[in-house]
Amino acid sequence: SQKIEQNSEALNIQEGKTATLTCNYTNYSPAYLQWYRQDPGRGPVFLLLIRENEKEKRKERLKVTFDTTLKQSLFHITASQPADSATYLCALPPSGSARQLTFGSGTQLTVLP
Amino acid sequence: DAGVIQSPRHEVTEMGQEVTLRCKPISGHDYLFWYRQTMMRGLELLIYFNNNVPIDDSGMPEDRFSAKMPNASFSTLKIQPSEPRDSAVYFCASSTSVQETQYFGPGTRLLVL
Repeated sequence: SQKIEQNSEALNIQEGKTATLTCNYTNYSPAYLQWYRQDPGRGPVFLLLIRENEKEKRKERLKVTFDTTLKQSLFHITASQPADSATYLCALPPSGSARQLTFGSGTQLTVLP
Repeated sequence: DAGVIQSPRHEVTEMGQEVTLRCKPISGHDYLFWYRQTMMRGLELLIYFNNNVPIDDSGMPEDRFSAKMPNASFSTLKIQPSEPRDSAVYFCASSTSVQETQYFGPGTRLLVL
């Protein structure tokens, strides 16, 4: 069955450094992948979508890569700030067995001042 | 647009009581999703509707859970009778397509004592 794995541990980094979050998936070849941000007490908010034919996508300080051979997406935040502290979730679109967007468990990022 | 609206934001109830959660999706969105989020299980899809019709309710835990969408601007998720293990944050989300970006509401934090 389709499986999504994100960094299992919480990630702590120093302000100004680059944060790198990982999303791995198995038993699936998605046409695209989405990244969401979730702050405490709030619902997830869409950040970026990257398609299978796009190796990299950028939005301000965010960069997402998509390696369909490794079945992996990397989410980078450059020049990180304490305000970037949140949980980040990746999501994959419907597949043959799943008829709706499937979310990973998320990685909790803390940027230390 | 005000975004997805959920009520109540917090609910504390006693085991055995009926709980009703409410959701107003974004106008024009044909898809509505109900999720449950816990630390242990992450974000789980319970049920989703397309044009007010339930499409997939395979995530509904058991018969104690029911969801309705009487019209395009309103949906309810009911738990009867509630149990302590139902304690979680319940999110409603809407989108224009089952594959497109989902817009989440602020969630209802439910505590069953």
